[in-house]
Amino acid sequence: DIVMTQSPDSLAVSLGERATINCKSSQSVLYSSNNKNYLVWYQQKPGQPPKLLIYWASTRESGVPDRFSGSGSGTDFTLTISSLQAEDVAVYYCQQYYTTPYTFGQGTKLEIK
Amino acid sequence: QVQLQQSGPGLVQPSQTLSLTCAISGASVSSNSVAWNWIRQSPSRGLEWLGRTYYKSKWYNDYAVSVKSRITINPDTSKNQLSLQLNAVTPEDTAVYYCAFSGRSDAFDVWGHGTMVTVSS
Repeated sequence: DIVMTQSPDSLAVSLGERATINCKSSQSVLYSSNNKNYLVWYQQKPGQPPKLLIYWASTRESGVPDRFSGSGSGTDFTLTISSLQAEDVAVYYCQQYYTTPYTFGQGTKLEIK
Repeated sequence: QVQLQQSGPGLVQPSQTLSLTCAISGASVSSNSVAWNWIRQSPSRGLEWLGRTYYKSKWYNDYAVSVKSRITINPDTSKNQLSLQLNAVTPEDTAVYYCAFSGRSDAFDVWGHGTMVTVSS
C-alpha cells in the first residue's frame, strides 16, 4: 500500500497569513503516460464529510477560493492557503488515487493563532 | 449534480452484518467511467477506503485487503443505489461510513453525509 504522511499534524496560523501543509507519499503517484499526479486534497469541518479542494495535485475544484493552491510532483506535495480566513479552520487530508487501495494521510488540523 | 443519501442502522451487534444503502440522484449507478465507493472514518484508523463498484461493459469490484473477506458492495440498478454489507463485525468496525462518487478521476468528488455505526451489544 502507498503510505501518505502529512506534516505537521497541527498548525496554528494568524488570520491573513499563509498556511502550508505538506504531504509525502511512500512511492511516486505520477503516472508517466499522462504526466498527472494522482493526488487530491480535502477539507473536513466538524460533523461534515470531507470536501474536495484540489485534484491532480494542483487543479482547484470549481467553487474553491483561489487562496487555496496545490503544488508538487512525484512523492512530495504541498497545500497552501495564501491568506487564512476564519472559515478555513478545518482538518486537511491528502489522498492518493494512483492505485488501490486508495490511501489518505493522517490529517493536519489547522487553527487560528 | 450528483447527490448521495445514506441510510441504515446506527447500531449493530458484534458478529452480525452491517448493512448500509446509498441512494443516488443526478447520475446513474451504471454510468460508464464513474465509480461508487465506500469509505469509513474512525479516530483509531483515520480515513479508510473500503472498496468500490463500477460498470465498464460489466460490473467490477475492488476491495481493501483489510476487509476483503467480509465485504460486499452491490449496485441496485432498479433503485439507482448501492449497498454495503460488512459481515462478522467487531467493535473495531465502529466508524462513520461514507459513500462517495468518483467522476472525472478516481478522486472522491461527492460524499454522502455519513452514517455513524456503532458495533456494540
